[in-house]
Amino acid sequence: DTGVSQDPRHKITKRGQNVTFRCDPISEHNRLYWYRQTLGQGPEFLTYFQNEAQLEKSRLLSDRFSAERPKGSFSTLEIQRTEQGDSAMYLCASSLDPRGNEQYFGPGTRLTVT
Amino acid sequence: AQSVTQLDSQVPVFEEAPVELRCNYSSSVSVYLFWYVQYPNQGLQLLLKYLSGSTLVKGINGFEAEFNKSQTSFHLRKPSVHISDTAEYFCAVGYNNNDMRFGAGTRLTVKP
Repeated sequence: DTGVSQDPRHKITKRGQNVTFRCDPISEHNRLYWYRQTLGQGPEFLTYFQNEAQLEKSRLLSDRFSAERPKGSFSTLEIQRTEQGDSAMYLCASSLDPRGNEQYFGPGTRLTVT
Repeated sequence: AQSVTQLDSQVPVFEEAPVELRCNYSSSVSVYLFWYVQYPNQGLQLLLKYLSGSTLVKGINGFEAEFNKSQTSFHLRKPSVHISDTAEYFCAVGYNNNDMRFGAGTRLTVKP
């Protein structure tokens, strides 16, 4: 399977803990995106990378959220000092074609903060 | 403000009936338009997209959509639905290649 993969699929954590999620994009894709999806809503854009450069991060939800893509391949999304409101599905997507922005999504990581 | 509106949060329909899922967007610039489907506990899968050219776009699983620039709409249609089409459908609009906005989704339930 050469699709987008995410790890873990599920994460339960206590409030105040830090969590990190990983995304492995389709290998030849140079763009990688992170989204958050809450129940009953569509995905909400958080940030994106072109290769290793993070070109948009103004829509990260707070300074507790950060993302990296150090070698232009996999990416990590970290949430520090988690809050109950952070409970959501975190989706990763990747794309190759910049025109039209067709994105391929991973299965997501479901975060539950207790 | 840029926004995407899916006019129906839930659409129940009987098997083999036609269906239309509505999507409107706000934009003063050229956009790219997409429909994605999401099955339970899975990521989003692209159904179809409009980049330019013919305003009638055909996608996978027998779905099609029509871009209407004057009405800023991109409604999704299927002439005959199956039980397996039960899922959440998201309309999405791409702006300037870097910004993708999604609607809140329409839950399509196909009943036997």
